Amino acid sequence: DVKVTQSSRYLVKRTGEKVFLECVQDMDHENMFWYRQDPGLGLRLIYFSYDVKMKEKGDIPEGYSVSREKKERFSLILESASTNQTSMYLCASSFGQYYGYTFGSGTRLTVV
Amino acid sequence: GENVEQHPSTLSVQEGDSAVIKCTYSDSASNYFPWYKQELGKRPQLIIDIRSNVGEKKDQRIAVTLNKTAKHFSLHITETQPEDSAVYFCAASKGTYKYIFGTGTRLKVLA
Repeated sequence: DVKVTQSSRYLVKRTGEKVFLECVQDMDHENMFWYRQDPGLGLRLIYFSYDVKMKEKGDIPEGYSVSREKKERFSLILESASTNQTSMYLCASSFGQYYGYTFGSGTRLTVV
Repeated sequence: GENVEQHPSTLSVQEGDSAVIKCTYSDSASNYFPWYKQELGKRPQLIIDIRSNVGEKKDQRIAVTLNKTAKHFSLHITETQPEDSAVYFCAASKGTYKYIFGTGTRLKVLA
């Protein structure tokens, strides 16, 4: 069974902390994505990567950065966590545009 | 900017009835439209998709229709069952790699 694995299911961090969310896929997918999911807002793209060391901003990149040093791993970094970054974070990967995404189980981050 | 509007936000149907969820997209270059189902506490999962060169696609009880002229696409679920209860998201492709998602429809199938 193909998998996208997110390292933490639940995370509680303090305001101002640097936070790392990790995502690993075992499908040899080129493309990886980070979304946040908020009630009433759907899924909004933060960053994506279409190749190792390549990254592009999504629709809401402010306050976030990413790292993709290896094909299978895509990390989301909150440089200085704030309460408005409390959300569900979903990682996804895809083989290409017409193949849909495979999502991870999500990380529910609470910033206090 | 480009967006995808999804309606309704909530939908309740009796078991055995049909459910229809509608989406409208704004980017005329969008050419791929996937639908995802997210059960409570679980990850979104792809349930059906359609490319812009096809008007309709069916998979057992679910079907998707696409009207490129009107920039509308819809998800149809027939003979609904309690296990169809979930949040459904439509999406439209944006560029080579990305999708824009709708805001979701919470479907409740009443037994």
